[in-house]
Order: sequence, then structure tokens, then C-alpha cells
Amino acid sequence: AQKVTQAQTEISVVEKEDVTLDCVYETRDTTYYLFWYKQPPSGELVFLIRRNSFDEQNEISGRYSWNFQKSTSSFNFTITASQVVDSAVYFCALSEGHYQAGTALIFGKGTTLSVSS
Amino acid sequence: SAVISQKPSRDICQRGTSLTIQCQVDSQVTMMFWYRQQPGQSLTLIATANQGSEATYESGFVIDKFPISRPNLTFSTLTVSNMSPEDSSIYLCSVEVTGIYGYTFGSGTRLTVV
Repeated sequence: AQKVTQAQTEISVVEKEDVTLDCVYETRDTTYYLFWYKQPPSGELVFLIRRNSFDEQNEISGRYSWNFQKSTSSFNFTITASQVVDSAVYFCALSEGHYQAGTALIFGKGTTLSVSS
Repeated sequence: SAVISQKPSRDICQRGTSLTIQCQVDSQVTMMFWYRQQPGQSLTLIATANQGSEATYESGFVIDKFPISRPNLTFSTLTVSNMSPEDSSIYLCSVEVTGIYGYTFGSGTRLTVV
């Protein structure tokens, strides 16, 4: 069965610190997609990244970077030089199978990041 | 990506009553998904709604409590029936679309049952 584990419930850092949010997933499919979403206090879900199972290249987008390692079933998210505006709940999610196969996202429990000034 | 209009954005309801949540998508989509997010918790899938057939419910969710309507490819409703305070949550609809985003979410309905 598919499962997403975010072992870190809460993380607190001071501005400008780097922080890594961990995500470990379980799936029996060879084709799957991994996602990260941000949920600020306002409640909406903000898409950050999608990665498919055949693309293990790491990705960097500004202060954000993602490390996908199939060997350890991990898809970790690093924020460099954190800012107060990064304070939010971050969810890792998994979708099994091919795209548009009607599979829903399965979410981890989320990690609450608090960045203080 | 698709744009979802979800209504109402929030409501306070009396226990024992029902609330119907609507999601309108600006493009045709095959599947729509309904999630519940209890306070301080993650998103849990309630059901998957395919146009023209009955919704498929996840373990722990039943049709009598959460009836879903999917009359066409752009619209769906979720009803929370016979509400109790334990139903106080954020309810979100989602669709799967082509493109880099993959999944789009409505802005959520924040439900408080008193």
C-alpha cells in the first residue's frame, strides 16, 4: 500500500538558517509522482513541485531545492536562507500510476515550519 | 492549470443539520477528489467522484454521511449529513489536470459544527 511519512512534526529555525524537510514514501508501483505543497496560515494549498519516478535529478528553484533518491525512497525538501514568509505547513504527497489514471494524492502528515526573525 | 471555485468558503452549522459544498471547475475533468482536513491534521481522501457513476469512498467514509453528486464534467457537490462537532474540518475538492501542476485544489470550506 502507498504511504508517505514525514517524521518531523514541527521545526523551528531562525531567519537565514537552512532547513531540510524529510519525506519518505512507500509504493509498489514503478510509475509514481511525488509532490510538495505549502499550506500557509490562510489555508490554501500552494503547489511547489512535482517529480515523476523516472526523473531522479535534483531540482533547484530559487531558495528551494529537492533531493529525490529512489534507493532510499526519499524526496527531501531544503529551504536555503529561510525567511519568515516560509512559515507554513509543508506536505509531501504521492500519486501512484500513470497520469490521469484517476488516482488521488496521498498526503503525509505534514511538517510545521516556524521561522522567527 | 484548472481553476476551481469552491463554495461556501466557511460556515457555522448546528449539529444534526446538513451542509452541501459545491465545486465548479473551469474545464472538463474526469475525476474529482474530495478531502477532509481535520484541525491540525493532514488531508484525508474522502472519495473519488467520476461523472456518471457512483463515487468511490475510502475506508471510514460512507455514502450516507457524505453523499456526493457529479452531474457533469465540471461540477460536483459533497454533502456533510447529520453533522456533529467531530465534522468540524476543512473540506477541499481537487482535480487532476495535465501540465506541470498535476493537481489543483479548491480554496477549501472551513466548517464549524456547534
